[in-house]
Amino acid sequence: GAGVSQSPSNKVTEKGKDVELRCDPISGHTALYWYRQSLGQGLEFLIYFQGNSAPDKSGLPSDRFSAERTGGSVSTLTIQRTQQEDSAVYLCASSLEGSGAQPQHFGDGTRLSIL
Amino acid sequence: DAKTTQPNSMESNEEEPVHLPCNHSTISGTDYIHWYRQLPSQGPEYVIHGLTSNVNNRMASLAIAEDRKSSTLILHRATLRDAAVYYCILREYSGGGADGLTFGKGTHLIIQP
Repeated sequence: GAGVSQSPSNKVTEKGKDVELRCDPISGHTALYWYRQSLGQGLEFLIYFQGNSAPDKSGLPSDRFSAERTGGSVSTLTIQRTQQEDSAVYLCASSLEGSGAQPQHFGDGTRLSIL
Repeated sequence: DAKTTQPNSMESNEEEPVHLPCNHSTISGTDYIHWYRQLPSQGPEYVIHGLTSNVNNRMASLAIAEDRKSSTLILHRATLRDAAVYYCILREYSGGGADGLTFGKGTHLIIQP
């Protein structure tokens, strides 16, 4: 079956521009996660959705970052007024539900480069 | 989530079995043991997970110690495509997904042809 799909796969933009990253989870998965991985670094958890709600947004790096999920499916991560330190691979994962008993399945990520 | 300890790197030969160890001495009774791997320039890939009993799937086997303070990921016949960083992660059942996965440094597995 189809896995987690992310778009675009690559995005190059100028500092100060807004960007929107999209994640299409596996059908039927109620839990959705966003992570980012800077060059040579480990994965940093950003935010989690159970259905359409995000119980905890404290992992988002700054108030320039926002995320939403509508219809319990597709999610978008928006970065406003991008900075060079936002350059990273942004990864999305989904799981059947949010408990530790369920594995997370990752997309291939969006590689974001801020010039 | 409780902490795990893994060797920084391991090396094995192609077509031989690989045993990747993980220590988790502070594991709680409701922690699941998850293994993921990340190939170069790719997102993490789920490998296997378990709670108490040993588990097998098409990718690997997971052997869990009786006291659950350690586990071993077993690749039965390594190929060059198995060269990756392998992460052992504990996930509390009741904690839900609110804190995401915490990836440590993992074990860098090198496969020699």
